[in-house]
Amino acid sequence: DSGVTQTPKHLITATGQRVTLRCSPRSGDLSVYWYQQSLDQGLQFLIQYYNGEERAKGNILERFSAQQFPDLHSELNLSSLELGDSALYFCASSGASQGNIQYFGAGTRLSVL
Amino acid sequence: DQQVKQNSPSLSVQEGRISILNCDYTNSMFDYFLWYKKYPAEGPTFLISISSIKDKNEDGRFTVFLNKSAKHLSLHIVPSQPGDSAVYFCAASAIQGAQKLVFGQGTRLTINP
Repeated sequence: DSGVTQTPKHLITATGQRVTLRCSPRSGDLSVYWYQQSLDQGLQFLIQYYNGEERAKGNILERFSAQQFPDLHSELNLSSLELGDSALYFCASSGASQGNIQYFGAGTRLSVL
Repeated sequence: DQQVKQNSPSLSVQEGRISILNCDYTNSMFDYFLWYKKYPAEGPTFLISISSIKDKNEDGRFTVFLNKSAKHLSLHIVPSQPGDSAVYFCAASAIQGAQKLVFGQGTRLTINP
């Protein structure tokens, strides 16, 4: 158990809809990262938050947004969903004492029908 | 532009023998490298890492070698065990600045009894 919790595990929705994915980082970790994995590919970095502030952005679509709350949990919002958004979405967290080591949650599998 | 490449999608090794997984990178700004292991329906699990100031790091049965001039790293597993069957991802990051991980496509390792 990595200590990172993601909900829900599975999400099935229709094109055009909006969903919210939730992530609780490991206790004490200030950084949260979101990654997308499509079709057994490598994980693609989407966005990083550090202590409530956006730190870095990757290949994140404008239809996607994220935030980190004062209790350090994070949410990834996906809107106007398209078939191609179907993927595994992983959240990871890291703390100052672990350097660049990120610990991953089990992921949310999103299916857009 | 794939900055981290794992050219072998799959590898099959006999139990007890050595497994060698390879990874190449192109971005010379990367100075920290990690290997993650992933089982189906789970998130990636951190395995071992290496900083660019070293050329070898060992942890039990797992050893990572880094050849900076060739921009190549490898993961050695000795001896291989059936529980090692999983997808292995190589990842790279820069210690300074944004600490996002850039992942390779993964190598599916199968250990045969």
